[in-house]
Amino acid sequence: GAGVSQSPSNKVTEKGKDVELRCDPISGHTALYWYRQSLGQGLEFLIYFQGNSAPDKSGLPSDRFSAERTGGSVSTLTIQRTQQEDSAVYLCASSLAPNLADTQYFGPGTRLTVL
Amino acid sequence: DAKTTQPNSMESNEEEPVHLPCNHSTISGTDYIHWYRQLPSQGPEYVIHGLTSNVNNRMASLAIAEDRKSSTLILHRATLRDAAVYYCILRASGGATNKLIFGTGTLLAVQP
Repeated sequence: GAGVSQSPSNKVTEKGKDVELRCDPISGHTALYWYRQSLGQGLEFLIYFQGNSAPDKSGLPSDRFSAERTGGSVSTLTIQRTQQEDSAVYLCASSLAPNLADTQYFGPGTRLTVL
Repeated sequence: DAKTTQPNSMESNEEEPVHLPCNHSTISGTDYIHWYRQLPSQGPEYVIHGLTSNVNNRMASLAIAEDRKSSTLILHRATLRDAAVYYCILRASGGATNKLIFGTGTLLAVQP
């Protein structure tokens, strides 16, 4: 079946511009996660959505970052006024039933380059 | 969150077994041990997980020490496709989220 998909696969933007990154989770998965992977920081958690619960935003690095999940499916990560340190691969993952034994399925990521 | 310690890198020859160690001395009784791997230019993928008993699946085996303070991921016959960064992750109970906390992992090189 279809896995997690992300778009675009690559995004080059200029410093100060806003960007939107999209994630389509696996159908039926109630939990959705955003992570990012940069050279200096490794893989780090950004935000987590579970059903209709309030999202866990504890990993967002600044108020320039926001995310929403519409209709419990597609999610968009928005970065406003991008900075060069935002350059990274942004990864989305989803899981069927969020518990300590669940499996998270990752998308291929969006590589963001801020010039 | 309990931390894990892994070697930065390991090497193996193709078709030989590989044992990837992970130390987690501060693990709590209800923490699950998960392994993910990340192939070059791809997102991480799930490998295996366990709680107390050893586990086997089509990809690998997980051997968990009796005191649970360490575990070993076993690839029975390494292939070139197994070259990846392997992450040992503890999933801790008591939190409101199920995020994965990645360490630096072990970079496995497989020689033909």
